[in-house]
Amino acid sequence: DGGITQSPKYLFRKEGQNVTLSCEQNLNHDAMYWYRQDPGQGLRLIYYSQIVNDFQKGDIAEGYSVSREKKESFPLTVTSAQKNPTAFYLCASSRTSGNSNEQFFGPGTRLTVL
Amino acid sequence: AQSVTQLDSQVPVFEEAPVELRCNYSSSVSVYLFWYVQYPNQGLQLLLKYLSGSTLVKGINGFEAEFNKSQTSFHLRKPSVHISDTAEYFCAVSVIYGGATNKLIFGTGTLLAVQP
Repeated sequence: DGGITQSPKYLFRKEGQNVTLSCEQNLNHDAMYWYRQDPGQGLRLIYYSQIVNDFQKGDIAEGYSVSREKKESFPLTVTSAQKNPTAFYLCASSRTSGNSNEQFFGPGTRLTVL
Repeated sequence: AQSVTQLDSQVPVFEEAPVELRCNYSSSVSVYLFWYVQYPNQGLQLLLKYLSGSTLVKGINGFEAEFNKSQTSFHLRKPSVHISDTAEYFCAVSVIYGGATNKLIFGTGTLLAVQP
């Protein structure tokens, strides 16, 4: 089955530690995205990538980093510079051609900083 | 800049009653519009989308939405809800961002709480 997987589902981190969230897709999509979700605030874009070895900052990139070494993978690192990292993180992917514009979402990772 | 407003943060409704979740957007250009549903601790699933053509769009699980360009609205409706429809619903607008990639601007979500 085609889709997006995120791991782990739950993640606990101590303050001051970096942590990496995994996102893998087998939909053959060129574009991938990372969102942060907080209660009452909807989804906010952290980073996105249109093609391998290229990515751009979204609206709230500070304290985060990404890489795109393979088309299928777009890991997100939450660094110690992120002041309030506890949140639900969602990865998505989409085509970059055509007019469908639909983004497909993974199941999410809930990060809690202790 | 584009933005999306979901005026109701929570909508309580009894089972088998009709429901409307409101969504308004602001944009100076043509947009694509989406409704997504999110069940607790899960990702988002596409309910329906408007790209062009008929302004009445039918989606999964019996939901439909109507695009109203003059009122810049895209309200979601269902004639009879079930307990299983309890979830958070997000309206989103698509814009072209940084070239070919389609960035989605999300509303803050509406929690549909269906009561027996």
